[in-house]
Amino acid sequence: NAGVTQTPKFRVLKTGQSMTLLCAQDMNHEYMYWYRQDPGMGLRLIHYSVGEGTTAKGEVPDGYNVSRLKKQNFLLGLESAAPSQTSVYFCASARSNYGYTFGSGTRLTVV
Amino acid sequence: SQQGEEDPQALSIQEGENATMNCSYKTSINNLQWYRQNSGRGLVHLILIRSNEREKHSGRLRVTLDTSKKSSSLLITASRAADTASYFCATENLGTSGSRLTFGEGTQLTVNP
Repeated sequence: NAGVTQTPKFRVLKTGQSMTLLCAQDMNHEYMYWYRQDPGMGLRLIHYSVGEGTTAKGEVPDGYNVSRLKKQNFLLGLESAAPSQTSVYFCASARSNYGYTFGSGTRLTVV
Repeated sequence: SQQGEEDPQALSIQEGENATMNCSYKTSINNLQWYRQNSGRGLVHLILIRSNEREKHSGRLRVTLDTSKKSSSLLITASRAADTASYFCATENLGTSGSRLTFGEGTQLTVNP
């Protein structure tokens, strides 16, 4: 039982490049989330999904897009990376009123 | 904006002592959760307390919730060096777009052997 798997674990991008972060969960959870964590700060919600085919904006959605074509996968896209997007990105999945299960994170550096 | 605010920001204790961390929040909640994060790792769910509950226990963890004061506390008893980590409170709100968790900035706990 893998839980939540994020790929890749590390990535270095040049300013203006694009990339997609993949999150996969095998717990049949309805809800999935993308957060970013910056030094000395808690997690901030980027986008989330309450079911297959649905997405919603979180606290800091600008510069990111998401898709949830399959229930088990939640993709986070950066169309034109900026240094301000250097961060650690965490994916999570959950059922309502239960604790979230987090992936191990993707450390992204934009130079 | 952060919904939850933890206090203190950092806490250093000796092994065997108890550690208490506090969390305050601003809006009504469905539940409040506590998470642990070891350095360089993902977050691990510790305990969830629902808005109609006042206290909950799990092993060496005790969580209280006071909805009238919009505050919660996490007590770790008989701490161990392995408890060294960052601890985050998070509040779950149910909006028109579904469930979402909002995190505080965390308390860095150091347990000295």
